[in-house]
Amino acid sequence: QVQLVESGGGVVQPGGSLRLSCAASGFTFSTYAMHWVRQAPGKGLEWVSVISYDGSNKYYGDSVKGRFTMSRDNSKNTVYLQMNSLGAEDTAIYYCAKNSGVLRSGKFDFWGQGTLVTVSS
Amino acid sequence: QSALTQPPSASGSPGQSVTISCTGTSSDVGDYNYVSWYQQRPGEAPKLMIYEVNKRPSGVPDRFSGSKSGNTASLTVSGLQTEDEADYYCNSYAGSNTFVFGGGTKLTVL
Repeated sequence: QVQLVESGGGVVQPGGSLRLSCAASGFTFSTYAMHWVRQAPGKGLEWVSVISYDGSNKYYGDSVKGRFTMSRDNSKNTVYLQMNSLGAEDTAIYYCAKNSGVLRSGKFDFWGQGTLVTVSS
Repeated sequence: QSALTQPPSASGSPGQSVTISCTGTSSDVGDYNYVSWYQQRPGEAPKLMIYEVNKRPSGVPDRFSGSKSGNTASLTVSGLQTEDEADYYCNSYAGSNTFVFGGGTKLTVL
């Protein structure tokens, strides 16, 4: 069965950096695009980024562009999110999600349980 | 990438039908048939309920249906059940390989 397990969350000071990981299993990881989606406490979902199946293309939401970098290692079935210049507005649960079908379909068919990032001094 | 507009809340009695709207613009909802809907229960990860406007993944009850007209997409839940009580989010492709979510609707089953 498909499993996505995020890790790397924690408390970080404003201006700091953090790298999240999402380990995948139960499907042919190297053939699917992957997304990061976040949810601030008590708030709605916000799309963060997507990476193509081979890592050659990455796209970001306006609020994280230039600060966050998504990458993947298909040999380890893992996707990453490097987050720099963090601010309080980045405090959220970060979910990774598997894309299904064509990239633009927005068909996020499996999600991890999320990892909490708290930006605070 | 402005968030899509959803009503904050919706409600219905068991057995009734309820429709949740999701309004975007001609650059997202209105321009692509790539609207999806997600159900999120408290403390859980979101779950895909509808994709590409009106398609249901296997395992999702046919009580859930989707539609779109112009810049507004809709999710209809028929024959409401208590387990349908959750937050619902719409999502649309917004061009240039980016996506936008709605603000979410809390569905209460009275």
